[in-house]
Amino acid sequence: GQNIDQPTEMTATEGAIVQINCTYQTSGFNGLFWYQQHAGEAPTFLSYNVLDGLEEKGRFSSFLSRSKGYSYLLLKELQMKDSASYLCAVWDSNYQLIWGAGTKLIIKP
Amino acid sequence: DADVTQTPRNRITKTGKRIMLECSQTKGHDRMYWYRQDPGLGLRLIYYSFDVKDINKGEISDGYSVSRQAQAKFSLSLESAIPNQTALYFCATSAGSDTGELFFGEGSRLTVL
Repeated sequence: GQNIDQPTEMTATEGAIVQINCTYQTSGFNGLFWYQQHAGEAPTFLSYNVLDGLEEKGRFSSFLSRSKGYSYLLLKELQMKDSASYLCAVWDSNYQLIWGAGTKLIIKP
Repeated sequence: DADVTQTPRNRITKTGKRIMLECSQTKGHDRMYWYRQDPGLGLRLIYYSFDVKDINKGEISDGYSVSRQAQAKFSLSLESAIPNQTALYFCATSAGSDTGELFFGEGSRLTVL
């Protein structure tokens, strides 16, 4: 079966750095996405990785290792507005998106 | 105004009632999707459409039907609602397989009593 695992909840401090991990087992791989979802709102796109390595976009970076079936989202200089759920999703061999359950990130002052 | 608009945003109904959730988009995308989101679970695909004449079942299509009335409109129907269809429903659009980014509507929260 296809599976995406990410921690259910994480807590971090304002101004700090947090890393949210995602591991996947899918039938094929055509890319990995990270989305941000604030409570009661729609998911919004953060990043897309298809090749191994680190993609940096401002305070957010996303890393991919295809051989390990592993990705992480790195958030630097945390702000209170970063409190949200972070969704990992993988494009399988049929370009179907398989979604993780999301990681709820709580930022404390 | 939002690029992807869903109506209604909230709906409470009773078991056995027919419900329609509507989605319209101004992004000009051919691909449209309906997802449901439940606490503790990932987004699950109900139906998707790659153009007006194309309708495909997703992971959890039982109990649902869809209609693609135009490129910009994609509606989801529950012919006879049941309590386990209580969920947050999202419509989404995308430009195509080489650009996987999805653009989501604001969501429709449905409660079936």
